[in-house]
Amino acid sequence: NAGVTQTPKFQVLKTGQSMTLQCAQDMNHNSMYWYRQDPGMGLRLIYYSASEGTTDKGEVPNGYNVSRLNKREFSLRLESAAPSQTSVYFCASSGRGPDIVGVENEQFFGPGTRLTVL
Amino acid sequence: GDSVTQMEGPVTLSEEAFLTINCTYTATGYPSLFWYVQYPGEGLQLLLKATKADDKGSNKGFEATYRKETTSFHLEKGSVQVSDSAVYFCALKTGANNLFFGTGTRLTVIP
Repeated sequence: NAGVTQTPKFQVLKTGQSMTLQCAQDMNHNSMYWYRQDPGMGLRLIYYSASEGTTDKGEVPNGYNVSRLNKREFSLRLESAAPSQTSVYFCASSGRGPDIVGVENEQFFGPGTRLTVL
Repeated sequence: GDSVTQMEGPVTLSEEAFLTINCTYTATGYPSLFWYVQYPGEGLQLLLKATKADDKGSNKGFEATYRKETTSFHLEKGSVQVSDSAVYFCALKTGANNLFFGTGTRLTVIP
């Protein structure tokens, strides 16, 4: 099992360019997430998908779109990149079943994509 | 809103020293609490968790106790090793489908 995989590992964009970050998981998880990690800010949720066919905004969704292509794959798109989107992006997945309060499904993280927007 | 405050780093310790990383939280309801660890160049891994008050999470010699009265979830280890060098994140979850993370504490253990 590869767990959660992300491509690419590194990317440099110019302001205004677009790109899609890819994420896939092979654990048959229902939920998938995109986070960004910035120095001194911890991780912040951009979007999540609680199940195939659904997506919801997280804490910092502006400037991003997502697609839950199937149960395995969840992509993050930057339509017009800005320097403020320079960050490390992590994808995560959790849960073979729905979360139940008190019985938490662990989130498994990918290795991250380091994105620089010039 | 829900939030986590954790000890600013970086923390540098000698091998076999005692480690404490403080974490306090603000949340509505009854959150679950987590410690995640990030080794250099890798994604986050769950280290331990506690889902209700007075629970103690433990793993790999690390421990944390969920203290509702002080809204805290401090991470401790009795004797750190060089291999424990990493960034540690405290996080909470209140039933919504996401985690709220602290800012992370970088630990460096020197031989």
